[in-house]
Amino acid sequence: GAVVSQHPSWVICKSGTSVKIECRSLDFQATTMFWYRQFPKQSLMLMATSNEGSKATYEQGVEKDKFLINHASLTLSTLTVTSAHPEDSSFYICSLLPGQGAQEQYFGPGTRLTVT
Amino acid sequence: QKEVEQNSGPLSVPEGAIASLNCTYSDRGSQSFFWYRQYSGKSPELIMFIYSNGDKEDGRFTAQLNKASQYVSLLIRDSQPSDSATYLCAVKIQGAQKLVFGQGTRLTINP
Repeated sequence: GAVVSQHPSWVICKSGTSVKIECRSLDFQATTMFWYRQFPKQSLMLMATSNEGSKATYEQGVEKDKFLINHASLTLSTLTVTSAHPEDSSFYICSLLPGQGAQEQYFGPGTRLTVT
Repeated sequence: QKEVEQNSGPLSVPEGAIASLNCTYSDRGSQSFFWYRQYSGKSPELIMFIYSNGDKEDGRFTAQLNKASQYVSLLIRDSQPSDSATYLCAVKIQGAQKLVFGQGTRLTINP
């Protein structure tokens, strides 16, 4: 399977600040990456689909101006949580499709965000 | 009705027995079906996927798909305590890139 890294693995920030999370594909060129959020004891919630070179597609109810996604290259996508609030505290996970025609998604290790 | 439904559990199975996890889906256009395992505090890891009706085996894991009945299951043979985790069923609709996840079933294997 594909190897995906995320940085940082955990972060604590103050309310009102912004946090950037990086997702890297280490062994595939990923034209499509996904960003998920997971609250405790809940399932994954897709936030947006990120395609290299184009604007991300956000799921209904996800504020695109608050969660900025930049798919800068075939191996890097970033999620910036702007003006973070305590309710944004969650486990953020990226995933990717390892190449054209791939069906299965491979997940990064996740980033745990705590907003104080 | 949720698009992908799983029994949230917890499901307890004795070590060495077969664990059976079930998932139903509502969209008949669903094309691909995935099982992920998620340990507490970790991200999901892909166990296996299935596209065609019938069984697909990979080691101790067998995925079963019945498109007419709109269900997919995962069997774990010779269950081990290390299999204790939350198992997520995910479905991909034809023409779409994204996966739709069920709420997950928490499985506990008792030594």
